[in-house]
Amino acid sequence: SQTIHQWPATLVQPVGSPLSLECTVEGTSNPNLYWYRQAAGRGLQLLFYSVGIGQISSEVPQNLSASRPQDRQFILSSKKLLLSDSGFYLCACDRGSNQPQHFGDGTRLSIL
Amino acid sequence: GQQLNQSPQSMFIQEGEDVSMNCTSSSIFNTWLWYKQDPGEGPVLLIALYKAGELTSNGRLTAQFGITRKDSFLNISASIPSDVGIYFCAGRGSWPSGSRLTFGEGTQLTVNP
Repeated sequence: SQTIHQWPATLVQPVGSPLSLECTVEGTSNPNLYWYRQAAGRGLQLLFYSVGIGQISSEVPQNLSASRPQDRQFILSSKKLLLSDSGFYLCACDRGSNQPQHFGDGTRLSIL
Repeated sequence: GQQLNQSPQSMFIQEGEDVSMNCTSSSIFNTWLWYKQDPGEGPVLLIALYKAGELTSNGRLTAQFGITRKDSFLNISASIPSDVGIYFCAGRGSWPSGSRLTFGEGTQLTVNP
């Protein structure tokens, strides 16, 4: 079964600084990949998803962007962080619409 | 867009009691998934349901995919302290949502020993 690695586990960044969160997947090929944000431990908001290399769909307008440079690598970025970007960021993957979605352990991002 | 209502929002129970939580949707789903999340960790899949009427168990957990395809419930029998956490339902519809999931807001479960 697939394993999802996210790093860093925690991150404290000043307002206006750039961001790069990385997610890599092992044990599967050509997965669908997702970035979620979770505020206050409740409710997952889908930010981006990708069905293949270089293919990114954005769910909500925001200060963040995503890229998929390799089949099993998904990166969440920002050029200038806002206070409202604080939260718990989760990467997930699945093999298709008839397969369950599995999550990484997340990155806790705090903006000061 | 699709919306999921999950209830209750929180539950405080005594160890040994049974627990029931449910999710209802404004539209039809083809898949229902139930997750548990511990503090500071990602959600972990508990049960996956793919067929209307399907009833599936995983140890003390039982979940059902409603006949109308617009609801699902999760039951936990004989709760123990390690059942504490947030439980999420998630549903997956058909085109154009594709493989994207819609999540409920979660049920916070507290088990008193």
